[in-house]
Amino acid sequence: EAGVAQSPRYKIIEKRQSVAFWCNPISGHATLYWYQQILGQGPKLLIQFQNNGVVDDSQLPKDRFSAERLKGVDSTLKIQPAKLEDSAVYLCASSLMGPRNIQYFGAGTRLSVL
Amino acid sequence: AQTVTQSQPEMSVQEAETVTLSCTYDTSESDYYLFWYKQPPSRQMILVIRQEAYKQQNATENRFSVNFQKAAKSFSLKISDSQLGDAAMYFCAYKVDTGTASKLTFGTGTRLQVTL
Repeated sequence: EAGVAQSPRYKIIEKRQSVAFWCNPISGHATLYWYQQILGQGPKLLIQFQNNGVVDDSQLPKDRFSAERLKGVDSTLKIQPAKLEDSAVYLCASSLMGPRNIQYFGAGTRLSVL
Repeated sequence: AQTVTQSQPEMSVQEAETVTLSCTYDTSESDYYLFWYKQPPSRQMILVIRQEAYKQQNATENRFSVNFQKAAKSFSLKISDSQLGDAAMYFCAYKVDTGTASKLTFGTGTRLQVTL
């Protein structure tokens, strides 16, 4: 079974530029999550989708971050414009619906904002 | 708000020995889930073990076991017969399901070194 796929693996941009990350979840997983992991910290949830709909985006900085999930499968996370403090690893995870289901993670995208 | 605390930034263990990683959490919920995830340099978070709060029996997965103390809100991970491949960051995480929202709340992690 294929895991959660993310691209790119690395991205370096200058502040005020825009950037987008892509995630393809495990086939059949209705729930998709984006986490931000700043160096030295644990991941923090940015947004959770269930199928096409947003379930939780309370920690998403909506003035600069946006995310969408097309047709309930792939998802993109965008930052525009980027700030220095956005330097982090962006992890995508997916799971089946329901409280007992495990979240499986991709390898993440490491973003450096210069 | 739920919080997860890992008070050991770094731990070291010799190969074949046993090590215990500590985790405490704060919650007012009675039904929740606890996890230990491993993050090697490849960055992918890998589930090591999970515990459902309503189960009194401690979870075990091969060389990995937990000591779950619900009243003390403590959830430690014991790794027996440590191997070089166990070297990684270990994160304790908590999850409570409120309808469809089911986010994981992570601690700050413990870096485990395994020496020969």
